[in-house]
Amino acid sequence: QKEVEQNSGPLSVPEGAIASLNCTYSDRGSQSFFWYRQYSGKSPELIMFIYSNGDKEDGRFTAQLNKASQYVSLLIRDSQPSDSATYLCAVNAHHQAGTALIFGKGTTLSVSS
Amino acid sequence: AAGVIQSPRHLIKEKRETATLKCYPIPRHDTVYWYQQGPGQDPQFLISFYEKMQSDKGSIPDRFSAQQFSDYHSELNMSSLELGDSALYFCASSLGGGTTDTQYFGPGTRLTVL
Repeated sequence: QKEVEQNSGPLSVPEGAIASLNCTYSDRGSQSFFWYRQYSGKSPELIMFIYSNGDKEDGRFTAQLNKASQYVSLLIRDSQPSDSATYLCAVNAHHQAGTALIFGKGTTLSVSS
Repeated sequence: AAGVIQSPRHLIKEKRETATLKCYPIPRHDTVYWYQQGPGQDPQFLISFYEKMQSDKGSIPDRFSAQQFSDYHSELNMSSLELGDSALYFCASSLGGGTTDTQYFGPGTRLTVL
């Protein structure tokens, strides 16, 4: 079982809709959770980070963390075609020094106009 | 704002050759991370350095070595290259070297081994 699991998608939503991306992780000791956006052939771009249970909002993006359920999600409101990309969930690797990021395989989001 | 700089951006090598990838972190960042991303795969952590000392080690082959220099730039040296080493290599940097630090990624080096 991979340490960080994501549905690979593709997740297809119409322009203006809410896109919901989900991620589960296996290491209960993980402390930091990140969402990166990656366009094909490009580098991961940080979207959000969250450390505490609950919701964190930044513009059209909301990250949600539930450590008891080992679950983290990303909501994208008013989705735009430019949001079409692969979204990578990343968790710090608690069993090592704690600084390495363990990535999920990513969810591909497609926003149609 | 200044970002992470990687060079070269593209590199083509033959099997059994060597390659050196360079990474210049965001100014004032003291921690550098290296990741490898194969086609259709997620990034895999290789190694990291904090204040010029190795801080963490992942799935880095013995054929690879890396170091961080006094100006905080880092180099990843890859020897006896294999076809399977063809991938995107990303460098990321952060400030502090801690478990909650945010890592910012560079544009990557695309290595092709023929």
